[in-house]
Amino acid sequence: DQQVKQNSPSLSVQEGRISILNCDYTNSMFDYFLWYKKYPAEGPTFLISISSIKDKNEDGRFTVFLNKSAKHLSLHIVPSQPGDSAVYFCAASTSGTYKYIFGTGTRLKVLA
Amino acid sequence: DAGVIQSPRHEVTEMGQEVTLRCKPISGHDYLFWYRQTMMRGLELLIYFNNNVPIDDSGMPEDRFSAKMPNASFSTLKIQPSEPRDSAVYFCASSLMTSSRFFGPGTRLTVL
Repeated sequence: DQQVKQNSPSLSVQEGRISILNCDYTNSMFDYFLWYKKYPAEGPTFLISISSIKDKNEDGRFTVFLNKSAKHLSLHIVPSQPGDSAVYFCAASTSGTYKYIFGTGTRLKVLA
Repeated sequence: DAGVIQSPRHEVTEMGQEVTLRCKPISGHDYLFWYRQTMMRGLELLIYFNNNVPIDDSGMPEDRFSAKMPNASFSTLKIQPSEPRDSAVYFCASSLMTSSRFFGPGTRLTVL
């Protein structure tokens, strides 16, 4: 039973345009959400996070939006750059635990 | 700091053989996590340790899997006997209580 779902296995975007990666979750107890980026032959690296008390968190070109009622979060990358091409994992957890539940990932390709 | 170190980077073995994966966490980190990545299930948490003590092993798929952390700078994940369905990329990650996870580069395991 996949509690965190990334329904788009892949996404292609033109350089300079916006990339939007989506993530849905089923467990209403989740209150902390993260995005990790993974390049080939490397481990995932932390990108950005958001607590459930917020609905938006921004860090440079990266913004994460959280819609608690829809149990949905999204990562926006503006403008997209070829170096952003990677697999992006969404993860969720509950306060007081150290278990991050990851999605299956979305492979982003930014075309030059 | 060299980051989280995993060895070997690649392992090819035959069904029924014992496999041992190794991890050296970042110095000073008190949490260590073992994850398995597959296409179907994404990143799954197998087990995590706090101060060398296993806290939650509910993600360990079967008794064939075992993990140890004899000291703060070393952990192993053992599969005995290995099966083809164990083929995946295995990641080790470490963190301080309040920090995000730092992942190693992973071990790609192929069981023939």
